[in-house]
Amino acid sequence: EDQVTQSPEALRLQEGESSSLNCSYTVSGLRGLFWYRQDPGKGPEFLFTLYSAGEEKEKERLKATLTKKESFLHITAPKPEDSATYLCAVQTSNDYKLSFGAGTTVTVRA
Amino acid sequence: GAVVSQHPSRVICKSGTSVKIECRSLDFQATTMFWYRQFPKQSLMLMATSNEGSKATYEQGVEKDKFLINHASLTLSTLTVTSAHPEDSSFYICSARDKSSGSLYEQYFGPGTRLTVT
Repeated sequence: EDQVTQSPEALRLQEGESSSLNCSYTVSGLRGLFWYRQDPGKGPEFLFTLYSAGEEKEKERLKATLTKKESFLHITAPKPEDSATYLCAVQTSNDYKLSFGAGTTVTVRA
Repeated sequence: GAVVSQHPSRVICKSGTSVKIECRSLDFQATTMFWYRQFPKQSLMLMATSNEGSKATYEQGVEKDKFLINHASLTLSTLTVTSAHPEDSSFYICSARDKSSGSLYEQYFGPGTRLTVT
C-alpha cells in the first residue's frame, strides 16, 4: 500500500526565516509527486509536479526537490502570505489517482 | 488556464434529503474527474474517479448508492449525496485532469463545497 508521510505537522516561522518541509513516500513505482498549497476553506492550488529523482522546480520563494525516497519543499525568506497548508501527493498508477499526505501547516509571522 | 469551479460553495440540508454538487472545468476538457472529501484538519481522501461517458469507480468503503456520480460531458461532473445524514457533513472537493495534457498528470482542484447536514 502506498504511504505518504509529511513532516512536521506544523511549522511556525518568522518572516524571512527559511525552512524546509519533508514528504517521504513508500510506493510501488512513482509516476509523479505533486505539491499543492491549500488555504483554509479552499481547494488545493497546484504548485509543482516532480517525476524523477534529482529533479528540482522553483516558483517564487518555493523550491521542490525529489529523491528516490522523499521530496522537500524549501521556502526561502517566507512572507506572511506564504502561510497555508502544504500538501504532498503521489501518483503511482495509470488511472491518475493521487494519494495525499496529511499536510504541513505553515504559519509565517511578520 | 486550468480553472475548475464547484457549485454550490456551501449548502445546508436537512437529514434525509439529497444534495447535488456540480464540478465544472471552465477552460479545458476533463477526461477524468475525481471527487474527494476532507474532514477538519485532515487530508483529502479520494472517494471516486469518474470518466466521461462511463460509470464511476469508487474507492473501497465508499457507498456508490449513497454518493451518485455522473460525468455526462467533458466539462461537467456531479456528485449527489442521497439521503444525507449528519455524518456526511464534510468538505467535498473535485479535481479534473486536462484531456490535452498527454503524459502529464496534473490535476486541478475546485474550490470545494462545504456540506452541513442538520
